[in-house]
Amino acid sequence: QVQLVESGGGLAEPGGSLSLSCAASGFTFSDNYMSWIRQAPGKGLEWVSYISSSSSFTNYADSVKGRFTISRDNAKNLLYLQMNNLRVEDTAVYYCAKVVGDSGSAGSFDHWGQGTLVTVSS
Amino acid sequence: QSALTQPASVSGSPGQSITISCTGTSTDVGYYNFVSWFQQHPGKAPKLMIYDVSNRPSGVSNRFSGSKSGNTASLTISGLQAEDEADYYCNSYTISTTVVFGGGTKLTVL
Repeated sequence: QVQLVESGGGLAEPGGSLSLSCAASGFTFSDNYMSWIRQAPGKGLEWVSYISSSSSFTNYADSVKGRFTISRDNAKNLLYLQMNNLRVEDTAVYYCAKVVGDSGSAGSFDHWGQGTLVTVSS
Repeated sequence: QSALTQPASVSGSPGQSITISCTGTSTDVGYYNFVSWFQQHPGKAPKLMIYDVSNRPSGVSNRFSGSKSGNTASLTISGLQAEDEADYYCNSYTISTTVVFGGGTKLTVL
């Protein structure tokens, strides 16, 4: 079955960096768009970024553009999120998610990981 | 990238039907038929319930249905059950090729 396992969360200082990973299994990773979504404590869901199956296209929420970079390694079935210049407001659980294969939307997330907590604090 | 508008809370009794609205603009909900709905129980990851306005993924109960009119999408849950109590989020693909979520709706089963 589809499994998505995030890692790399933790504590970072404002202005610092963290790198998240998401290990995928149970499906043909190289066929699917993938995305990162976050949820601040007690708050709603916020889309962060997505990447096309071949990495040819990426997009970002305005709140992270220029600071976060999404990438993938299809040979290793890994999705990444490099987070630089972190802010207190980036504190959240970060989920990786698989995009539905037969949807024209990059927002149809049919499988989610369990999430990894990123805390930005001095 | 303004968030889509959802009611903060809705409630219903077991067996009843409820509808949750999701209002956007002509550049997101109104532009594409690319609205999704997610259910999230406390401490759990979200679960996809509806995608592309009205498509149900395999394994999702047919008590859940989606529709759209203009800039507003709706999720209807019929035959309300206790286990439906959760937070529900909509999202939409946008004309800018980004994704925007709604603020979420807490469903209480009375």
